[in-house]
Amino acid sequence: GAGVSQTPSNKVTEKGKYVELRCDPISGHTALYWYRQSLGQGPEFLIYFQGTGAADDSGLPNDRFFAVRPEGSVSTLKIQRTERGDSAVYLCASSLTLAGAWTGELFFGEGSRLTVL
Amino acid sequence: AQSVAQPEDQVNVAEGNPLTVKCTYSVSGNPYLFWYVQYPNRGLQFLLKYITGDNLVKGSYGFEAEFNKSQTSFHLKKPSALVSDSALYFCAVRDGGTGFQKLVFGTGTRLLVSP
Repeated sequence: GAGVSQTPSNKVTEKGKYVELRCDPISGHTALYWYRQSLGQGPEFLIYFQGTGAADDSGLPNDRFFAVRPEGSVSTLKIQRTERGDSAVYLCASSLTLAGAWTGELFFGEGSRLTVL
Repeated sequence: AQSVAQPEDQVNVAEGNPLTVKCTYSVSGNPYLFWYVQYPNRGLQFLLKYITGDNLVKGSYGFEAEFNKSQTSFHLKKPSALVSDSALYFCAVRDGGTGFQKLVFGTGTRLLVSP
């Protein structure tokens, strides 16, 4: 597709379970971002990738959260031992670097809504 | 760390009237500032950005923003609001120095345009 695709759009799970959220960025976009948005809040940075490597993972809240991008395209956000406080909309975005310069324009997917019961 | 503040949770305006959504920033160095919009059940969309140059930046859907260094503000404006402009608006700033490519977002302002 033309835009950033995120699956699943909705995920309901029980406390303590393992969850994977997938992001398929726009083809050719080298940078990929994960954000988390809680109700009434702005998006909160989690991690971003340049190619296959995590350029900055300083926003991951704890070691239960992990993300990979093994081939430099699709990324998976993994959450172990989910807690009720993990309930939020998880947003993925990608962006393009033009001639080495970052455009600052992030293209967001519609998000994956995670509910932990 | 860089940050932005959006002092208004909600802005109400009548269709056809001018609108302003406020944003102030706190940065070290030169600010890279952005506005994004989130329509219901849609992903965030880029509206406009300020990196350098003219203080008045024009963006999508007739929006513009004014960079004011002395007031550390980057308010979003539109001369004539439309009902379809009703959405959630986020101000954002690039965090970190050169080479850092992540954005820090404000808490958002809900814009309601009444017919």
